[in-house]
Amino acid sequence: AQTVTQSQPEMSVQEAETVTLSCTYDTSESDYYLFWYKQPPSRQMILVIRQEAYKQQNATENRFSVNFQKAAKSFSLKISDSQLGDAAMYFCAYTPFGSQGNLIFGKGTKLSVKP
Amino acid sequence: GAVVSQHPSWVICKSGTSVKIECRSLDFQATTMFWYRQFPKQSLMLMATSNEGSKATYEQGVEKDKFLINHASLTLSTLTVTSAHPEDSSFYICSARGGHQETQYFGPGTRLLVL
Repeated sequence: AQTVTQSQPEMSVQEAETVTLSCTYDTSESDYYLFWYKQPPSRQMILVIRQEAYKQQNATENRFSVNFQKAAKSFSLKISDSQLGDAAMYFCAYTPFGSQGNLIFGKGTKLSVKP
Repeated sequence: GAVVSQHPSWVICKSGTSVKIECRSLDFQATTMFWYRQFPKQSLMLMATSNEGSKATYEQGVEKDKFLINHASLTLSTLTVTSAHPEDSSFYICSARGGHQETQYFGPGTRLLVL
């Protein structure tokens, strides 16, 4: 079965510092997509970053970048220069290529940002 | 781009009444829409997947007669909670797949409280 594991229920970071959120997944597929979504207190799910498994290059979106290790089935999110607005729940998600797009979510990591 | 709206954002109703929630993709056509339920401090739980013009596919344990889903157009899906009871109180989120086909964009969610 395909699963997504986020082993850190909560994380904390000082404003302007860097933090890394962990995500591992289990799949027998070779082609798939991985996502990080952010859910702030408003509860709106916001796409942070997207990675296609066939791409070796790690995805980057401004202060957000991933470390995608396909062989290790690891997909961590690095947030640089953390801001107060980054405080949220972060969900890692997986979907196989060519599927209807059903996402398999991890349980989430709650990130706090200290001023 | 890739904006999804959801209406209403908040609804309070009496036990036994039905409630309809609308989900619209505002700037793209969504062949597939998803409905989730989220309990406090938990991840998203997929309820059903709907494709335009066809019947929705419900996840195991979700009552299709209780949660009616209609996906009549490429931009609109509705979820009707029929004969709502207090245990149906929850946060309901829709998403739509568009643009990058495997990427889901989420609506802002609907908080349902059944008295």
